[in-house]
Amino acid sequence: EVQLVQSGAEVKKPGESLKISCKGSGYSFSSYCVAWVRQMPGKGLEWMGIIYPGDSDTRYSPSFQGQVTISADKSISTAYLQWSSLKASDTAMYYCARPAYSGFYSIDNWGQGTLVTVSS
Amino acid sequence: QTVVTQEPSFAVSPGGTVTLTCGLSSGSVSTSYYPSWYQQTPGQAPRTLIYSTNTRSSGVPDRFSGSILGNKAALTITGAQADDESDYYCVLYMGSGISVFGGGTKLTVL
Repeated sequence: EVQLVQSGAEVKKPGESLKISCKGSGYSFSSYCVAWVRQMPGKGLEWMGIIYPGDSDTRYSPSFQGQVTISADKSISTAYLQWSSLKASDTAMYYCARPAYSGFYSIDNWGQGTLVTVSS
Repeated sequence: QTVVTQEPSFAVSPGGTVTLTCGLSSGSVSTSYYPSWYQQTPGQAPRTLIYSTNTRSSGVPDRFSGSILGNKAALTITGAQADDESDYYCVLYMGSGISVFGGGTKLTVL
C-alpha cells in the first residue's frame, strides 16, 4: 500500500527557518515524483512544485520559485519542503502527494498534511 | 499565468446528477492536460477521485466519472448523496513539470 506520512505540526516565528518532511513507503520512492501543495486557511489548493527523487529534478510553480526549496533524500525515502525565512503569510496546511504514474502529473496519493503556523 | 476556472458553487438534489467543469482562461482543455479531480471535506486531506481525464482512483465508486466536454474537463456525479457535499478541485498539467489547480467548486446537496 502506498503511504505518504508527513511530519507533525509546527509553530514558528517570522524569520525562522523550517523544513518539513514526507516519507514514502509501499513503493519505489526513487521512481515516482513527490509534489507539494499549499492550502491557506479557508482557501483552495495551490500547486507549489514537484521533485523526482531519482535524480532530484525539481520544478517550481512561478508563484513559489525562490520562496521555498524542495528536496529529497532517496536513501531514506523522504521528500522535504523548506523555508529559510518564514513569513506570517506562510501559515497554511501543506500536503505532499504522489502521481499515479512515473511522471509529473496525475496525482493520486496524498499525505495527511502538515500544519505550519507562523506567528510572533 | 494561465488561470484554471471552476464554478464557485453548485447545488444538486439527492439522487440527482451534476456535472462540474474545469476550463482555461485561454484555450481548450484536452487529455494532454491530464485533468484530475479531488474531493475535500473540511479538516481532511484531499481525496483523489479521477486522474488522467477519466481514470477512477482505487475505491472510488462509479458514480463519479471524468471526461472532456467541449473545451473543458468535466466531473459527473450521478445519484448524488448527502456525503458528496464537499469542495471539488481540478488540476491541469501545463507542461514542464508544472500543474495548476482550479479555485474549487463547493457542492451542496439539497
